[in-house]
Amino acid sequence: AQSVSQHNHHVILSEAASLELGCNYSYGGTVNLFWYVQYPGQHLQLLLKYFSGDPLVKGIKGFEAEFIKSKFSFNLRKPSVQWSDTAEYFCAVRPSGNTGKLIFGQGTTLQVKP
Amino acid sequence: DTEVTQTPKHLVMGMTNKKSLKCEQHMGHRAMYWYKQKAKKPPELMFVYSYEKLSINESVPSRFSPECPNSSLLNLHLHALQPEDSALYLCASSLLLASGETQYFGPGTRLLVL
Repeated sequence: AQSVSQHNHHVILSEAASLELGCNYSYGGTVNLFWYVQYPGQHLQLLLKYFSGDPLVKGIKGFEAEFIKSKFSFNLRKPSVQWSDTAEYFCAVRPSGNTGKLIFGQGTTLQVKP
Repeated sequence: DTEVTQTPKHLVMGMTNKKSLKCEQHMGHRAMYWYKQKAKKPPELMFVYSYEKLSINESVPSRFSPECPNSSLLNLHLHALQPEDSALYLCASSLLLASGETQYFGPGTRLLVL
């Protein structure tokens, strides 16, 4: 079955620390990849996405992610986190085809201490 | 404008009530989605509409009844719900169902079933 795995369930960092959140998926075909963020009390917002081309994609708020096809991974990174980055982060995969189905990982809660 | 609006923001209903959730977008998107999100969990797909036709029903109980009266509007009719149906109900839309499309999420309706 298709699945998305986020290895870190809860991450606590101090401000200015570097962040890397892991995401792996199990699907052999072409995929679209997304990272969404859900700030406390707010709705899901798109951080960045990968469809094709350069595997290193840059998103909003200084986030970036790298698609490594051989590892079925799409890890999220930020060089220096801020307190305002405290949120829930979801990796999502959309297998090719026209179903529109988006498969989410379990989410990672990021807590940044000031 | 990438806004998806949902009303109401909060809803409390008894198990014998009938209520409806509303979702609206004016981005010209032709695919719309309902998701259910429990606390600290990822969104789970419920229904997908494409060009106002139901495309996917993820084996959702019949007490949830979706409706897409036009390309901008998506409703979710609720009847005889159970307490375990209490959750955040998210609506999303994308331009099309095709690969390479991004889903944009609304703020959700927080539903409590008593």
